[in-house]
Amino acid sequence: GAGVSQSPRYKVAKRGQDVALRCDPISGHVSLFWYQQALGQGPEFLTYFQNEAQLDKSGLPSDRFFAERPEGSVSTLKIQRTQQEDSAVYLCASSDKMDRFTEAFFGQGTRLTVV
Amino acid sequence: AQSVAQPEDQVNVAEGNPLTVKCTYSVSGNPYLFWYVQYPNRGLQFLLKYITGDNLVKGSYGFEAEFNKSQTSFHLKKPSALVSDSALYFCAVRGFASGGSYIPTFGRGTSLIVHP
Repeated sequence: GAGVSQSPRYKVAKRGQDVALRCDPISGHVSLFWYQQALGQGPEFLTYFQNEAQLDKSGLPSDRFFAERPEGSVSTLKIQRTQQEDSAVYLCASSDKMDRFTEAFFGQGTRLTVV
Repeated sequence: AQSVAQPEDQVNVAEGNPLTVKCTYSVSGNPYLFWYVQYPNRGLQFLLKYITGDNLVKGSYGFEAEFNKSQTSFHLKKPSALVSDSALYFCAVRGFASGGSYIPTFGRGTSLIVHP
């Protein structure tokens, strides 16, 4: 596709449920970022991939959060045993640059609501 | 640690008037600065960036931003606002290799409302 695609757009999860959020980056983009955006806040960095290598996961808030990009294209962000504080919009971005961040293209995000 | 401040939660301006959305930053070493815009139900869209060179940077949709090192600011400007410019604007900063984090830090965002 022409842009970064994220699915699902909306997800409602019961507390304690596991969820998986998918990101399809722009074809050929080597860098992929996940961000978490709480209501009324700016995006907060979660993790960064260069191809299939996860080079930085310093922003993941707990060990319940796990991300992978096994073939260097599609990425999945998994949250285990969801909590109410996990409710946020999860943004994925990709870039054709090899450095950590230049101008990246963002998807529309997945809005996660934990009830 | 690097940080970004967007002191205004909301900016109101009349269509046709100039607009300014403020951003100040803190980072070790030289900054790498960005502005992004977020329209309702749309992803963040890149507007412009400053790396080095001219302090006035021109970007998409007629926007520009002025880098001021002494005031550590990177205000977003447009000479004549359009109603369609109404959106949420985010400033972001990252450091270069010699200092600061490679990963950008975003501000909280400023809601721009342009009145007809």
